[in-house]
Amino acid sequence: ELKVEQNPLFLSMQEGKNYTIYCNYSTTSDRLYWYRQDPGKSLESLFVLLSNGAVKQEGRLMASLDTKARLSTLHITAAVHDLSATYFCAVASYNFNKFYFGSGTKLNVKP
Amino acid sequence: GAVVSQHPSWVICKSGTSVKIECRSLDFQATTMFWYRQFPKQSLMLMATSNEGSKATYEQGVEKDKFLINHASLTLSTLTVTSAHPEDSSFYICSATNRGLNTEAFFGQGTRLTVV
Repeated sequence: ELKVEQNPLFLSMQEGKNYTIYCNYSTTSDRLYWYRQDPGKSLESLFVLLSNGAVKQEGRLMASLDTKARLSTLHITAAVHDLSATYFCAVASYNFNKFYFGSGTKLNVKP
Repeated sequence: GAVVSQHPSWVICKSGTSVKIECRSLDFQATTMFWYRQFPKQSLMLMATSNEGSKATYEQGVEKDKFLINHASLTLSTLTVTSAHPEDSSFYICSATNRGLNTEAFFGQGTRLTVV
C-alpha cells in the first residue's frame, strides 16, 4: 500500500516568516499533488507535479518534487494571514488507480 | 480545470435509513472515481476506487455491503450508505479522473452526512 507522510501536522507562524512543509511517500510515483482545504470545504488544487525536479510557484507558495528521494516540499514565503488553511499532499499510483493523501498540515498564520 | 459536481452538499438522516450521494463529471468522461471520507480535523481516507462498468475496489477495512458504489456511466458514480448509524456521520468527498487523458483528479464539493 502506498503511504504518504506529511509533516508538520500543525504549523503556527507569524506573518512575514518562511516555512516548509514536507511530504514523503513510500513507493515509486511521479505524480504528486498539493491541495488547500478551508474549514467545511472541499479541496482546492494548488500544484500538480509530474516529473523529477519539477518546481512550480504561485504567489507565496512554491512546490517541488524529488522522485528519487520520494519527497515533495511546499515552501511558504513571507506568510500572510490569508494562507491559513489545511494543506494536503497526495500521491497517485503509477497507473492512477489509487490516490492517497498525507495527514495534512494545519497552518495558522498570526497577524 | 474540469468540473465535478457532488450532490447533496449536506444531508441529515435517521439511523437505519439509507442515503445516496451522487458524483457527476460535467465536462469530461470519468473512467475512474475515488470516494473518500473525512472525519473532523483528519485527512481524507480513501474508501474505494471505481472504474466505469466494473465493480468498485474497496480499501481494507471498508465494508462493501455498507457503502455501495455504482459507477454505471462515464459521468456518474453514486455512493449509498446503507443502514446508516451515527458513526457514519462524516464528510464524504468524491473525485474523478480520466486515466487516459487527465494527469490529475478533480474533486466534488463534498457531502456532509449527519445521522441522528
